[in-house]
Amino acid sequence: QSAPTQPASVSGSLGQSITLSCTGTSSDVGYYKYVSWYQKHPGKVPKLVIYEVSNRPSGVSNRFSGSKSGNTASLTISGLQAEDEADYYCSSYTNSATVVFGGGTKVTVL
Amino acid sequence: QVQLQESGPGLVKPSETLSLTCTVSGGSISSGDFYWGWIRQPAGKGLEWIGRVYTSGSTNYNPSLKSRVTISIDTSTNQFSLTLSSVTAADMAEYYCARETYTDYVATWGRGTLVTVSS
Repeated sequence: QSAPTQPASVSGSLGQSITLSCTGTSSDVGYYKYVSWYQKHPGKVPKLVIYEVSNRPSGVSNRFSGSKSGNTASLTISGLQAEDEADYYCSSYTNSATVVFGGGTKVTVL
Repeated sequence: QVQLQESGPGLVKPSETLSLTCTVSGGSISSGDFYWGWIRQPAGKGLEWIGRVYTSGSTNYNPSLKSRVTISIDTSTNQFSLTLSSVTAADMAEYYCARETYTDYVATWGRGTLVTVSS
């Protein structure tokens, strides 16, 4: 299985909105609605920020939102804050009953 | 709430077998609709899904690792395990155990354990 493609890096200024993409195929991202997003700070455990494409876990800021169109899922972070600087990974169920992570995007807050 | 803790050798020799165990506390490994899985992250690289086991013992594995991986579950001890055979330097990583929901997201992560491959 090939990893969905994520941009290596995305940057934005404080208070700005940014959108991260996760482009897969009809066998993974486009197959079903089981796409999730994780935030990972260096040395820390990954944190779930979006599940099932657009659902936000309890306790996660409403500045995080998710969507999907075809084979591409997106994570939008609005009102960018310093603590949002981290690596972000998408994850998708596949038609082989496995899970695949995207390559990850490093978010830099300017 | 449910917590996960990885344990096992932090150093494995090349060509040998890596074995890790994840102990589940705060709940029964048999209750609820969850998968119990393993994910790793080599230094400086991204997350890689290794595979998972259900309470029935059925498994799903990453195709790229399938020939070398076994994940098993022991409901009597509330633990599940990972074995990875014929390790090389490419298998050096932080290994996380995870509780996955039926909609395929990780609801709970272990704290991670670093595995080094060296003679």
